[in-house]
Amino acid sequence: EVQLLESGGGLVQPGGSLRLSCAASGFTFSSYAMSWVRQAPGKGLEWVSVISGGGDSTYYAASVKGQFTISRDNSKNTLYLQMNSLRAEDTAVYYCARLSGASYYSAYGYWGQGTLVTVSS
Amino acid sequence: DIVMTQSPDSLAVSLGERATINCKSSQSVLYSSNNKNYLAWYQQKPGQPPKLLIYWASTRESGVPDRFSGSGSGTDFTLTISSLQAADVAAYYCQQYYTGPFTFGQGTKLEIK
Repeated sequence: EVQLLESGGGLVQPGGSLRLSCAASGFTFSSYAMSWVRQAPGKGLEWVSVISGGGDSTYYAASVKGQFTISRDNSKNTLYLQMNSLRAEDTAVYYCARLSGASYYSAYGYWGQGTLVTVSS
Repeated sequence: DIVMTQSPDSLAVSLGERATINCKSSQSVLYSSNNKNYLAWYQQKPGQPPKLLIYWASTRESGVPDRFSGSGSGTDFTLTISSLQAADVAAYYCQQYYTGPFTFGQGTKLEIK
């Protein structure tokens, strides 16, 4: 059974940093691209970033480029999102999702339960 | 960037009736070399993560009831629920995975009339 478990969310002051983790199990982690999608309270889904199965290729939304870094450790079956210089508008539930293949160009077949990041003083 | 626009923003349908949600992309998501539309539909119930319903615009994900169907090509797509059940109350989102950034529509909230 595919399982994705996010952690690392919490309350952080504006300008602070957080690193989110997504522990994956139930599949060959390195064979699949992985993504982060966020959802601000009461709002729709916003695509954030994606990383290829091998970790050698990444892509970011313009709203987070240069601020967030996606990475993965295939030996630990874990996906990461390093978030720096956080702003109030980064407040959201952050979901990790597994794509249906190793490249970016597939649907998001599995999702974690999400972790809440709140940026506030 | 490809902009995904859904209509309507909200929809109220009687139980057993048909529900139709539209999604329009600002440019084609049809890849000519394989004739596939890089378009997915997701369902999100309150307090839950999204769930994949449809991919390649019209392929139903395993386990999804056959009352859900997807259609369309190029820039115009439709999600149809043929006979609305109470369990279908949710928000629905389309997403293009043709090119980055892999944008979502703004969502359509489906309720019971």
